[in-house]
Amino acid sequence: GQNIDQPTEMTATEGAIVQINCTYQTSGFNGLFWYQQHAGEAPTFLSYNVLDGLEEKGRFSSFLSRSKGYSYLLLKELQMKDSASYLCAVKDSNYQLIWGAGTKLIIKP
Amino acid sequence: ETGVTQTPRHLVMGMTNKKSLKCEQHLGHNAMYWYKQSAKKPLELMFVYSLEERVENNSVPSRFSPECPNSSHLFLHLHTLQPEDSALYLCASSQQLGDYNEQFFGPGTRLTVL
Repeated sequence: GQNIDQPTEMTATEGAIVQINCTYQTSGFNGLFWYQQHAGEAPTFLSYNVLDGLEEKGRFSSFLSRSKGYSYLLLKELQMKDSASYLCAVKDSNYQLIWGAGTKLIIKP
Repeated sequence: ETGVTQTPRHLVMGMTNKKSLKCEQHLGHNAMYWYKQSAKKPLELMFVYSLEERVENNSVPSRFSPECPNSSHLFLHLHTLQPEDSALYLCASSQQLGDYNEQFFGPGTRLTVL
């Protein structure tokens, strides 16, 4: 079966750095997405990785290792507004997005 | 209006009611999706439309019936639902189906079935 695993919840301090991990087992791979979802709101796109390596976009970076079935989202200089759920999703061989259950990130002052 | 809009934002219905959820995208996209989001569970893809043709139906019960009259509008018709169908229903669109095609989501309809 297809499976995406990510931690249920993480806590970090304002101004610090946090890494959210995602491991996947899917039938085929056509890219990995990270989305942010604030409580009661729509998911919004953060990043896309299809090749191995690190993609940096401001305070957020995303890393992919296809051989290990592993990705992480790195958030730097954390702000209170970064408190949200972070969803990992993989596009499989049928170009369907397979989603993880999301990681709820709590930022403390 | 910009992006993806959904109405209503909240809906409470009895198990014998019939209601419809509406989604509209103002992005000129060719693909539209219905997802179900339950607490602490992964997003579940329900239906996919590309150029108004249904391309995916992931074993969804027949009490959910989608309709895509044109590339900008998507409906989800509901009838004789069960309490376990209570969830957030999200609509999304993308430029087309394929590898890199970011999906844009609407704000969702919070459905409660009594």
